[in-house]
Amino acid sequence: SQQGEEDPQALSIQEGENATMNCSYKTSINNLQWYRQNSGRGLVHLILIRSNEREKHSGRLRVTLDTSKKSSSLLITASRAADTASYFCATDKVGGGSNYKLTFGKGTLLTVNP
Amino acid sequence: DARVTQTPRDKVTEMGQEVTMRCQPILGHNTVFWYRQTMMQGLELLAYFRNRAPLDDSGMPKDRFSAEMPDATLATLKIQPSEPRDSAVYFCASGNTMGTEAFFGQGTRLTVV
Repeated sequence: SQQGEEDPQALSIQEGENATMNCSYKTSINNLQWYRQNSGRGLVHLILIRSNEREKHSGRLRVTLDTSKKSSSLLITASRAADTASYFCATDKVGGGSNYKLTFGKGTLLTVNP
Repeated sequence: DARVTQTPRDKVTEMGQEVTMRCQPILGHNTVFWYRQTMMQGLELLAYFRNRAPLDDSGMPKDRFSAEMPDATLATLKIQPSEPRDSAVYFCASGNTMGTEAFFGQGTRLTVV
């Protein structure tokens, strides 16, 4: 079963605008990760935020984590047509010890129009 | 350039046939995941291994699916017999230690007719 759920399911914006995607999850986690998938290809890791962190930056990406609300957001600033892809959040579960499982949501399809 | 390699990239087979998908994880990674991706269900975790030992295969239909790691450089996912509802893209991913990123292969697109 999915642990994370992304919102919205699809997002269409113009080049240069910012894109915000949200992720909600159900159980406590050790960390939350965001991945990107270009059509028909494997997922690529973008950024990881740990449960004791609230915000993290990487280039044009900004991720926030609110463990009290069990939610995260991914902000892509100054979007480009090349950012068009599906974006997934992934979580592992607290208490898994060495048996952590990485589970994904269904993703947000981002389209950046030139 | 270390990467996860999956073979075959595409597979078309008839219902009832056995299908074997292979994955070569990144050298030195101790965790291997198998995922199935469909439009309806998204990315489902089928099974994963730590140090070649299966830790959880609860996401896998046991009657027809099996996953193994005969050695540290090879993971296999078998479906026998295959059914049209097994049509999907199957991804293998590998990683190292808890709480770090997973590296994905390019996937095997399986079509069962």
